[in-house]
Amino acid sequence: DIVLTQSPLSLPVTPGEPASISCRSSQSLLHSNGNTYLDWYLQKPGQSPQLLIFLGSDRASGVPDRFSGSGSGTDFTLTISRVEAEDVGVYYCMQALQPPFTFGPGTKVDIK
Amino acid sequence: EVQLVQSGAEVRKPGESVKISCKTSGYSFNTYWIAWVRQMPGKGLEWMGLIYPDDSDTRYSPSFEGQVTISADKSINTAYLQWSGLKASDTAMYYCARHGTDWYLDFWGQGSLVTVSS
Repeated sequence: DIVLTQSPLSLPVTPGEPASISCRSSQSLLHSNGNTYLDWYLQKPGQSPQLLIFLGSDRASGVPDRFSGSGSGTDFTLTISRVEAEDVGVYYCMQALQPPFTFGPGTKVDIK
Repeated sequence: EVQLVQSGAEVRKPGESVKISCKTSGYSFNTYWIAWVRQMPGKGLEWMGLIYPDDSDTRYSPSFEGQVTISADKSINTAYLQWSGLKASDTAMYYCARHGTDWYLDFWGQGSLVTVSS
């Protein structure tokens, strides 16, 4: 199975400041079709997860443009350009290159 | 509007059976894979497996193979997750989610809490 690691696991943030989360994969997530199968999800407290970013850097519908995804191969980053109070929760990366699809352990983001 | 509405909370004893459901609407149920994701109390997300409703092609994560059964009923646009011999360690929130065209999980149910306790 592909193993994903995230850092940090806990991230206190200040509203208005930038924040970034790293996700590293045990193998490249680049498919022969040119797509990179790495997605980002946010699970707000008491809610179901929601899709933020797919294929490494594509924002899902309705996701604010302060969220961006970058990276390639095995190293990826989710960046929030200016954190807002509503961004608190646990952020997960997920690889969708090959089943079984796997999630990272999650990064808990809260307000300082 | 795409919606996935899951069945309510279940409480069972060890060894008992349970079947939870995920009723979908707002899209062509037959032509999108549906996944099940486990979240144990205070823990992260675990992908369990998926089903393609049109032909019931089903794949399981090795961690869940033989432990659960995923099924679907095309006539009522509903996917299912069932256990035949529950253990206390099956206590968790279970989410269904739709796999989009590039395998991302674009729509999620609200979750079904399964509690197994003697």
